[in-house]
Amino acid sequence: QEQLVESGGGVVQPGRSLKLSCETSGFTLRHYAMHWVRQAPGKGLEWVATISSDDGIKTHYVESVKGRFTISRDNSKNTVFLQMNSLSPEDTALYYCAKDFLGYSDGNGPPDYWGQGTLVTVSS
Amino acid sequence: DIQMTQSPSSLSASIGDTVNITCRASQDIRNFLAWFQQKPGKAPKLLIYSTSSVRRGVPSKFSGRGSGTEFTLTVNNLQPEDFAIYHCQQYDTFPLTFGGGTKVDMK
Repeated sequence: QEQLVESGGGVVQPGRSLKLSCETSGFTLRHYAMHWVRQAPGKGLEWVATISSDDGIKTHYVESVKGRFTISRDNSKNTVFLQMNSLSPEDTALYYCAKDFLGYSDGNGPPDYWGQGTLVTVSS
Repeated sequence: DIQMTQSPSSLSASIGDTVNITCRASQDIRNFLAWFQQKPGKAPKLLIYSTSSVRRGVPSKFSGRGSGTEFTLTVNNLQPEDFAIYHCQQYDTFPLTFGGGTKVDMK
């Protein structure tokens, strides 16, 4: 049974950093691209970042986080990360980690399994 | 970036009704369109991928159709567990983009 558990969220001041983790189980992480998707309170879904399968050579980001966020993976630890720097109030959201539907891809498939999310609140 | 526009943004329906939700893409996304269901306080759940392929384990009451720029999700015989928010997503091109969501509530 595929499971994803996010952690690392919390309340942080503007301009500070936070690192989210997504621990996975029930599938072979290295075979799948992985996504981070966020949802601001009461709002819709916004894709944030994707990392390709295997060694994660290819990454993609939504424009608003380019240069500030970095997605990475440690297949040996079955974990995906999202390093978030220079946070702003607009980054306040529930951050979901999700597994790509396709295997061995750059991440151009829909997310099929999702975690329950970790809440990031950026406020002074 | 490809903009995804869902309509309506909300609708009210009764048990047993059939509802249709539309998603329009700002450019051709071929058939790379997925639909998700999200219930309050829960993560989204993938229902349909590749426009019309129903994910294993999802009831056949959910169906999708379309191509290019216009897509539709149909939910037949609406039941209490189907009242939720539905999201479309294009995965043809990065950045991946979602529609604004359609809230289906009880009339």
